[in-house]
Amino acid sequence: DADVTQTPRNRITKTGKRIMLECSQTKGHDRMYWYRQDPGLGLRLIYYSFDVKDINKGEISDGYSVSRQAQAKFSLSLESAIPNQTALYFCATSDHRGDKNIQYFGAGTRLSVL
Amino acid sequence: GDSVTQMEGPVTLSEEAFLTINCTYTATGYPSLFWYVQYPGEGLQLLLKATKADDKGSNKGFEATYRKETTSFHLEKGSVQVSDSAVYFCALSNTGFQKLVFGTGTRLLVSP
Repeated sequence: DADVTQTPRNRITKTGKRIMLECSQTKGHDRMYWYRQDPGLGLRLIYYSFDVKDINKGEISDGYSVSRQAQAKFSLSLESAIPNQTALYFCATSDHRGDKNIQYFGAGTRLSVL
Repeated sequence: GDSVTQMEGPVTLSEEAFLTINCTYTATGYPSLFWYVQYPGEGLQLLLKATKADDKGSNKGFEATYRKETTSFHLEKGSVQVSDSAVYFCALSNTGFQKLVFGTGTRLLVSP
């Protein structure tokens, strides 16, 4: 089983709909991240969380919100989806007790907003 | 702010050819440098890293040397295989906060 699991793997939705992407991990890591990947732009950080009570905005947080329900779960929500949020979304984790700079990624969620 | 610049792809090579993917960075202080690889349909995974100047990271036949004087961390492999076809991301993490800054990625296509 994957250590970092993202659901769903693919999602098609319509403009204006609310959508939630979920991420769970079995690595026991305290830090979790959400990125989006767009062609030619690489990965950009949306939100990150260093523990359950710590949530921080990344470079492109507008239009997104997150919830850290437990150490192992970190969800990303689009309150009212728009077409330019069509992208590949990745969740990642890291461990402050180990090499904090190494992040472990899920397989991604491909989101299309029509 | 901190940034990473990679050569644009795709890089197209024949099997057993020599590979170089260029990466340069801009950062304050002394960042750690990384190469991540993304195989088709998968998430990113760490390929190699270097934490200080003149360090060489290596893994699976890939190498990269941290060159502070040229602010570079070029990825090399002496003989590529078809299975190396993937997207390669250069990244840095600066001191004090473990946030990764990624380059735009370089797609490598290796043909038999």
